[in-house]
Amino acid sequence: NAGVTQTPKFQVLKTGQSMTLQCAQDMNHNSMYWYRQDPGMGLRLIYYSASEGTTDKGEVPNGYNVSRLNKREFSLRLESAAPSQTSVYFCASSVQANTIYFGEGSWLTVV
Amino acid sequence: AQSVTQLGSHVSVSEGALVLLRCNYSSSVPPYLFWYVQYPNQGLQLLLKYTTGATLVKGINGFEAEFKKSETSFHLTKPSAHMSDAAEYFCAVSDSGANSKLTFGKGITLSVRP
Repeated sequence: NAGVTQTPKFQVLKTGQSMTLQCAQDMNHNSMYWYRQDPGMGLRLIYYSASEGTTDKGEVPNGYNVSRLNKREFSLRLESAAPSQTSVYFCASSVQANTIYFGEGSWLTVV
Repeated sequence: AQSVTQLGSHVSVSEGALVLLRCNYSSSVPPYLFWYVQYPNQGLQLLLKYTTGATLVKGINGFEAEFKKSETSFHLTKPSAHMSDAAEYFCAVSDSGANSKLTFGKGITLSVRP
């Protein structure tokens, strides 16, 4: 049982480049999330999707877009990467917010 | 709005000593409370959670936490630390609403000395 799978695991981008982080879950969860983790900041919510076809902004949405492609998949796109977006990104899924399951993380460096 | 405060960024204990990691929360509605653990270069793993019912919650790896409404606290404890407990620990809060989301504290790094 794979749980939450996110790709790529590591990525280096140049400033201004674009990329998409992919996430898929196989637990039939309605809700999916994208968080970023920075030293001393904990995890901050970027976007979330309560159900297929809906997305909402979280605490730090600027510079990101998301797509809930179907119930399984929730992608995060950086249209024009900036050094401030260097971070570890986590995708997660849940049945409501009662226990959230996390992926293994994607390490992104923007130079 | 909900928030979580984890005082301090680093706790160091000796192997076999008591582990106490503090968490205070703010919530205008009855909270759901969680502790997650993160080992280096890995995702977050749920240690334990409180939703309703018994206020003393037991989790994996010998950890437990007690929900104290009067103190708005949900401190994590383990009677005897093991070297394998060294990790980063996050407290988080949500509510029971259909579209609720987790709000995390900044995390505490636990070191265990031989």
